[in-house]
Amino acid sequence: DIQMTQSPASLSASLGETVTIECRASEDIYNGLAWYQQKPGKSPQLLIYNANSLHTGVPSRFSGSGSGTQYSLKINSLQSEDVASYFCQQYYDYPPYTFGAGTKLELK
Amino acid sequence: EVQLVESGGGLVQPGRSLKLSCVASGFTFSNYGMNWIRQAPGKGLEWVAYISSGSSYIYYAETVKGRFTISRDNAKNTLYLQMTSLRSEDTALYYCARHINYVDYWGQGVMVTVSS
Repeated sequence: DIQMTQSPASLSASLGETVTIECRASEDIYNGLAWYQQKPGKSPQLLIYNANSLHTGVPSRFSGSGSGTQYSLKINSLQSEDVASYFCQQYYDYPPYTFGAGTKLELK
Repeated sequence: EVQLVESGGGLVQPGRSLKLSCVASGFTFSNYGMNWIRQAPGKGLEWVAYISSGSSYIYYAETVKGRFTISRDNAKNTLYLQMTSLRSEDTALYYCARHINYVDYWGQGVMVTVSS
């Protein structure tokens, strides 16, 4: 099974700041990676798929990049509504689909 | 608008069974594979099971294999998860999720609590 290591586990940032979250796969996942945002008390929402494609309706301040085993989610100009947990998921090789442990983003 | 509405959760004793349902609307249900994904309180996401659009392909996480059964009724636009021999570690919010390799839509989730 492919393991996903996500970092950091938690993050505190100021409004307007740029934030980066990383995900490392245990083997090459050939851009088969998605990022999800989960606001407190809500279900997850798709942000990015295929490592760098923005899902419909997602603000352009979100972007994804990476290749091979290393991927990242960047949030430019942090807004208050971006306070949430963020999860990566690999879907290159399944079953099983595997998720990162998550990053909790808070405002400083 | 894509909607996925889960039901059937609740409090159940260890070793007992429970069946979850997910009614889909806003898209052609029979064209999509579907997943169940769960989240224990305060924890991360764990994929549980997948079923292809025509039920030809079914996969389970090792943690539930042999105890859970995923199924669907395309005529009723409904996804199911039959859970047997429930354990305390199955306590979680269970999400129904539409599959297109990744998950593009999630339901609101249904809580399953396994406790005596």
